[in-house]
Amino acid sequence: EVQLVESGGGLVQPGGSLRLSCAASGFTFSTYWMHWVRQAPGKGLVWVSRINSDGRRTSYADSVKGRFTISRDNAKNTLYLQMNSLRAEDTAEYYCAGVVAVPSGLDVWGQGTTVTVSS
Amino acid sequence: QSALTQPPSVSGSPGQSVTISCTGTSSDVGGYNLVSWYQQPPGTAPKLMIYEVSNRPSGVPDRFSGSKSGNTASLTISGLQAEDEADYYCSAYTSITTWVFGGGTKLTVL
Repeated sequence: EVQLVESGGGLVQPGGSLRLSCAASGFTFSTYWMHWVRQAPGKGLVWVSRINSDGRRTSYADSVKGRFTISRDNAKNTLYLQMNSLRAEDTAEYYCAGVVAVPSGLDVWGQGTTVTVSS
Repeated sequence: QSALTQPPSVSGSPGQSVTISCTGTSSDVGGYNLVSWYQQPPGTAPKLMIYEVSNRPSGVPDRFSGSKSGNTASLTISGLQAEDEADYYCSAYTSITTWVFGGGTKLTVL
């Protein structure tokens, strides 16, 4: 079964850091582009970042550029999102998602992990 | 990276058709055939319904169709069913190699 499982969310103070992980199974993780998408409580989806299959190409939304870093370990079938200098507006459900069985579009999603930035 | 523009809500009765629009610019929706649509029932992760403007992934009913004209993409759901009630989001690739989502549209089946 194709599956993505996020972990690492939690409560963090403003200015703090958190690293999210996304464990992949059921498909050849190293072959596919991966993304992070977030959703603030009661709000819409917001694209955060993406990384290519070998980890050498990345891109970020302006709102997180310079603070967040996407990376992957293909040997461990795991995607990461290092989040630094966190702000209250980063509070959201964070989803990892992949472009797996289609040429484009995010066809595989995790269940999400909750990040709360508050003092 | 402004969000794409979607109507906040649409509604229809069972069996009817509804269309959700998604308006961007020539730097995103209008510039590439890389528009996707997602369905998100409450409390669940999004599900891909349409990719590359008009293609359906395996398992998505053919009641769902997509199109694009200029800077506006559209998702049409025909033969509306109760289980179609959800939030729908469009997404597009942009000229600065990022992706952008629309604000979302709540579909109510009357």
